[in-house]
Amino acid sequence: EAGVAQSPRYKIIEKRQSVAFWCNPISGHATLYWYQQILGQGPKLLIQFQNNGVVDDSQLPKDRFSAERLKGVDSTLKIQPAKLEDSAVYLCASTGTGGAFFGQGTRLTVV
Amino acid sequence: EDQVTQSPEALRLQEGESSSLNCSYTVSGLRGLFWYRQDPGKGPEFLFTLYSAGEEKEKERLKATLTKKESFLHITAPKPEDSATYLCAVKVNFNKFYFGSGTKLNVKP
Repeated sequence: EAGVAQSPRYKIIEKRQSVAFWCNPISGHATLYWYQQILGQGPKLLIQFQNNGVVDDSQLPKDRFSAERLKGVDSTLKIQPAKLEDSAVYLCASTGTGGAFFGQGTRLTVV
Repeated sequence: EDQVTQSPEALRLQEGESSSLNCSYTVSGLRGLFWYRQDPGKGPEFLFTLYSAGEEKEKERLKATLTKKESFLHITAPKPEDSATYLCAVKVNFNKFYFGSGTKLNVKP
C-alpha cells in the first residue's frame, strides 16, 4: 500500500514570497490533515479535511495560509506572503478509521 | 480543553538501560491513543494504537500501556538505533488528533 506522498521535500524562499505544498493521501482515506512542526515541538494542526470539506481550520493563519482539497483526494497548502516564522516542516497526514499516517514532510526555510 | 503532555522532554540512556516515557492526557471522548517514532528529517512513523485502559502492545524492545489518564512507552534494553523522538497523540471525536511535544531519546553505546 502506497503511503502519503508529499512534495517538494525541501524549499527555501525569501520572506514575502509565496510557496505551495502538495499532498496525496493514502488511497481511500477520507480525512486529510496539514500540520506545522517547528523544530523541537510536536505537530500543530493547521487544517483538517473530511473528503473535500473543511472540518477544522481554527489554527490556520488565514491572512496568509490557504488550503484546498477540491476533489476530495490530493491537497495543496499555500503560504502567501511567507514570514520568517513560517520556517518549519509541513506534514501531511491521512486517516481512515485508525491512526494517522504521515508523509515525509516539506522542510520550508524562509530567509 | 483537550491536552496531551509528554515527559521527559529529553532522555539520555546507556545502551541496555531500560526506562519509560510518559504521556498524560486530558481529553473528552478518547477514540484511541497512538505512539509514533520520528527520526530527524522524516515524518512520524506509526508504532502502536491503544484503545482502552489496561491494554498493552509490544514490538521488539518497546511496550506501550494505557490507563485512564496516561500511557507509558517502556523501552527494554535499548540500542543506539532506538534513538529518535517519540510522539504521543490522542484521537477524539471527528477524527481529531492532538499531539504531545515529544520525548527525544538518545541511547549511547
